[in-house]
Amino acid sequence: DAEITQSPRHKITETGRQVTLACHQTWNHNNMFWYRQDLGHGLRLIHYSYGVQDTNKGEVSDGYSVSRSNTEDLPLTLESAASSQTSVYFCASSRGGQGNEQFFGPGTRLTVL
Amino acid sequence: QKEVEQNSGPLSVPEGAIASLNCTYSDRGSQSFFWYRQYSGKSPELIMFIYSNGDKEDGRFTAQLNKASQYVSLLIRDSQPSDSATYLCAVTPPLVFGKGTRLSVIA
Repeated sequence: DAEITQSPRHKITETGRQVTLACHQTWNHNNMFWYRQDLGHGLRLIHYSYGVQDTNKGEVSDGYSVSRSNTEDLPLTLESAASSQTSVYFCASSRGGQGNEQFFGPGTRLTVL
Repeated sequence: QKEVEQNSGPLSVPEGAIASLNCTYSDRGSQSFFWYRQYSGKSPELIMFIYSNGDKEDGRFTAQLNKASQYVSLLIRDSQPSDSATYLCAVTPPLVFGKGTRLSVIA
């Protein structure tokens, strides 16, 4: 069955370290998204991509970067982790066009000490 | 800043009752509207989507859209304890999620 996976599921790191969160989908979806979810803020869009070599900034992109070298993967990199980036991170994908529903991965809980 | 507003709740309803969840959005250009359910510690999962004014029914769930009032709602009939979760409203374009309404169905 097609799916979307994230790794690692849990990560503890230190302030200033570079961290990369992986997202992999097997639906062959064009669109992929990264969100963070914090109490009181709901889901906030970090970066998104509408296809290979396409990346766009979302609402809270500062301190994060993504690259899209193939259809299946959209890794999220924290260049220099900060305590404010402690959060649950969700990756999502959708088929194409702006109106299609998104399918979410299981999430990665990141703690920055 | 495009906004999607939801009452954070908690909304408590007795088992078997109708739960009504509401969402308003600020961007009149928004065209697609989604309801997601999120259990504690889990990822959001799509329940329903609606594009046109009016009602759309799927089993115990009914989504209602009123573009003139910039209002979308989700009705859950015959609510069950297993419906207890946070319900997220999402609107696109642009892609924005509300903060969610926590629903508690009391047995």
